[in-house]
Amino acid sequence: ELKVEQNPLFLSMQEGKNYTIYCNYSTTSDRLYWYRQDPGKSLESLFVLLSNGAVKQEGRLMASLDTKARLSTLHITAAVHDLSATYFCAVGSGNTPLVFGKGTRLSVIA
Amino acid sequence: DVKVTQSSRYLVKRTGEKVFLECVQDMDHENMFWYRQDPGLGLRLIYFSYDVKMKEKGDIPEGYSVSREKKERFSLILESASTNQTSMYLCASSLTGTGANVLTFGAGSRLTVL
Repeated sequence: ELKVEQNPLFLSMQEGKNYTIYCNYSTTSDRLYWYRQDPGKSLESLFVLLSNGAVKQEGRLMASLDTKARLSTLHITAAVHDLSATYFCAVGSGNTPLVFGKGTRLSVIA
Repeated sequence: DVKVTQSSRYLVKRTGEKVFLECVQDMDHENMFWYRQDPGLGLRLIYFSYDVKMKEKGDIPEGYSVSREKKERFSLILESASTNQTSMYLCASSLTGTGANVLTFGAGSRLTVL
């Protein structure tokens, strides 16, 4: 059974600092996604990672995938308040439904 | 733009009532999903469907049923609502086959059962 674990679950960051969110998963998978959810809103796709060593970047966010370690990271560079949200990773294999982590609630403070 | 539309953003129902949550997508996606989201528990899969008239149980199907009579529409039914079904319900859709198959989510339906 595929399990997805994110940590930390809560993260309070100062503006301008860097931090990393980790996503571990338990069985071999071929797709990993990062989603963002703003309070009261639905989930929005950020990144799709399909192969070992894949790296995607957009703005201050960079996601990477290490399939051998079954680990993905979401790195935040020089955090700004607009990045405050909940971030989910989700993992899938073939056409099976995605399994989501519990989410990391990020709060960026001045 | 892929759109997944959930018919009701907020609903308040009484215990024992029958509840219908409707979801429609406009991009000809084969796959449709219903999740519920609760604080501290993340997203949990209730039911999913890979084709018309096809349905599969997810991780927490008890107390729920679904209907997919048309490709674009996937309905979640609570036959007799209970207070522990108070939650945010999220519908999503995706293409099938190889490739990224990104899940696109609707805006969510927040259900309160009194």
